[in-house]
Amino acid sequence: SQKIEQNSEALNIQEGKTATLTCNYTNYSPAYLQWYRQDPGRGPVFLLLIRENEKEKRKERLKVTFDTTLKQSLFHITASQPADSATYLCALDMRSDYKLSFGAGTTVTVRA
Amino acid sequence: DARVTQTPRHKVTEMGQEVTMRCQPILGHNTVFWYRQTMMQGLELLAYFRNRAPLDDSGMPKDRFSAEMPDATLATLKIQPSEPRDSAVYFCASGLVRTGGAEQYFGPGTRLTVT
Repeated sequence: SQKIEQNSEALNIQEGKTATLTCNYTNYSPAYLQWYRQDPGRGPVFLLLIRENEKEKRKERLKVTFDTTLKQSLFHITASQPADSATYLCALDMRSDYKLSFGAGTTVTVRA
Repeated sequence: DARVTQTPRHKVTEMGQEVTMRCQPILGHNTVFWYRQTMMQGLELLAYFRNRAPLDDSGMPKDRFSAEMPDATLATLKIQPSEPRDSAVYFCASGLVRTGGAEQYFGPGTRLTVT
């Protein structure tokens, strides 16, 4: 069956360090992959989209990589800040009319 | 700043009652999605529309759930009759689908509690 796994439910890091989140998938051949941020009591907010033919994408302090051979995406938050504390969700499009399947999310807590 | 709006934000109802949730997508977006989020199941796609036409509702229980898009500015999700297991946060999202992918913009959600 199709499966999306995000590493550990929670990640605690010190301010200024880099947070690295992992999204692994099996039995998928996604056309692209997206990352979203969700704060408590709010809807997910789009952060980045990376296509299957792209290796890396950056946006300010965020970086995403996409390895279709390993079936893995890495999401990095550099120079992390307490304001980066949130749950981060990866989502895959299965070439099926832009439907997204979401991972369970990783909750990041940045300590000051 | 364009946003997806959802009403109501909170709803508490008794088992067996009808629940209607409403969503106003971002103007110009051609695709509308309905999701349900619970701690156990995470974020699940229930149904979605393209240019107001339903494309897929395989994610929702057909006997009690229905989704419609009567016009471009309104999408509705109805549960009749509601059950305690329907308690969850329901999100509407919209996007402009184009070649190469489309990000989705989520509303604030409707927190439904069925007692």
